[in-house]
Amino acid sequence: SQTIHQWPATLVQPVGSPLSLECTVEGTSNPNLYWYRQAAGRGLQLLFYSVGIGQISSEVPQNLSASRPQDRQFILSSKKLLLSDSGFYLCAWSRDFYTGELFFGEGSRLTVL
Amino acid sequence: EDQVTQSPEALRLQEGESSSLNCSYTVSGLRGLFWYRQDPGKGPEFLFTLYSAGEEKEKERLKATLTKKESFLHITAPKPEDSATYLCAVRGAQKLVFGQGTRLTINP
Repeated sequence: SQTIHQWPATLVQPVGSPLSLECTVEGTSNPNLYWYRQAAGRGLQLLFYSVGIGQISSEVPQNLSASRPQDRQFILSSKKLLLSDSGFYLCAWSRDFYTGELFFGEGSRLTVL
Repeated sequence: EDQVTQSPEALRLQEGESSSLNCSYTVSGLRGLFWYRQDPGKGPEFLFTLYSAGEEKEKERLKATLTKKESFLHITAPKPEDSATYLCAVRGAQKLVFGQGTRLTINP
């Protein structure tokens, strides 16, 4: 069966510090990978998606970036965090890009102080 | 622009009190409507996919239905463990769009 792991689960970072969130998927090959952000009381906002190694598409211009160094690894990064980067970050995967059947990780709660 | 609106924002029910959650949508070229359950502090869990008007899907106490403009998630005789936020999403020609969710609380 397929599983998705995301870490760290919680982190508190000062403004201006770097960020790295990691996500790995097991039990499948060539998954479509996604990073979402969920702000309190708001819907899920797609940040990045990837259909293959090294292929990253950005949905929202900001100081975040994503990379896919391996088939089942997806990384969300920032060189300098802003207060507005605080939120709940979710990694997800799907078999088919044109589907809404996503399988989410447990999430990473980021607080920027 | 594709849009999804869920109502109500929050709903409190007594255990065993059946009700429905609404998901209204506007989308060009519907490729599917999706329901998720999200527990506090967790990632959403996929529940159902509906593709065409008239389609229904069931899972335990939950039943999802679809019309050309909206979807309903019917909850029959709910239990406290059904308490969660339920998210609706639609996939159009361009992207997947999520609604804000309905926070459901079932009191024992």
